Amino acid sequence: NAGVTQTPKFQVLKTGQSMTLQCAQDMNHNSMYWYRQDPGMGLRLIYYSASEGTTDKGEVPNGYNVSRLNKREFSLRLESAAPSQTSVYFCASSEARGSYYGYTFGSGTRLTVV
Amino acid sequence: DAKTTQPPSMDCAEGRAANLPCNHSTISGNEYVYWYRQIHSQGPQYIIHGLKNNETNEMASLIITEDRKSSTLILPHATLRDTAVYYCIVRAPTNAGGTSYGKLTFGQGTILTVHP
Repeated sequence: NAGVTQTPKFQVLKTGQSMTLQCAQDMNHNSMYWYRQDPGMGLRLIYYSASEGTTDKGEVPNGYNVSRLNKREFSLRLESAAPSQTSVYFCASSEARGSYYGYTFGSGTRLTVV
Repeated sequence: DAKTTQPPSMDCAEGRAANLPCNHSTISGNEYVYWYRQIHSQGPQYIIHGLKNNETNEMASLIITEDRKSSTLILPHATLRDTAVYYCIVRAPTNAGGTSYGKLTFGQGTILTVHP
């Protein structure tokens, strides 16, 4: 089925380790996003890419880097993981058709930093 | 983008209509109202959006007051599978090249619990 695919689904890291969260969409969307969601809270935007070749900081970018590899793929990297980065990470892509601005989200990556 | 205010939680009996309110008193003329929902552990899902006219699709209806300062999402016949967090979001249409391009800001939302 078409959609947004995130890998891995679960990950446990030790403090100071690095890792990359992968995201790919097959809907030919221009824009892609990374959000994090902490328990009992709404989603907060980490980084986004309005189009291939561009990336911009969101609300909580510190401690993260991103790469828009091509139109399909948008990865999120934690260079030196910290316990405060324990969260559920969601990737999303979006299209714009007139007033419709629909996001499609992936199923999430549950990251625990110990 | 305008801020929104939603009740933190609501209950609804299965088979009854669920009416979820949202206040957006500072909404601007070109801003739309969007509703998303997030079922436990899943990514949010688009439900519906509107500007000033009432809207209906296969999932829900959206009623926007004439002054546009508030809206109500209606799930006509709630089922147990509708238990989720519902987010009301206000934003202008896409503005390529603008600093707010593409971003949706999610608040706390309303936890809707549908019970048998």
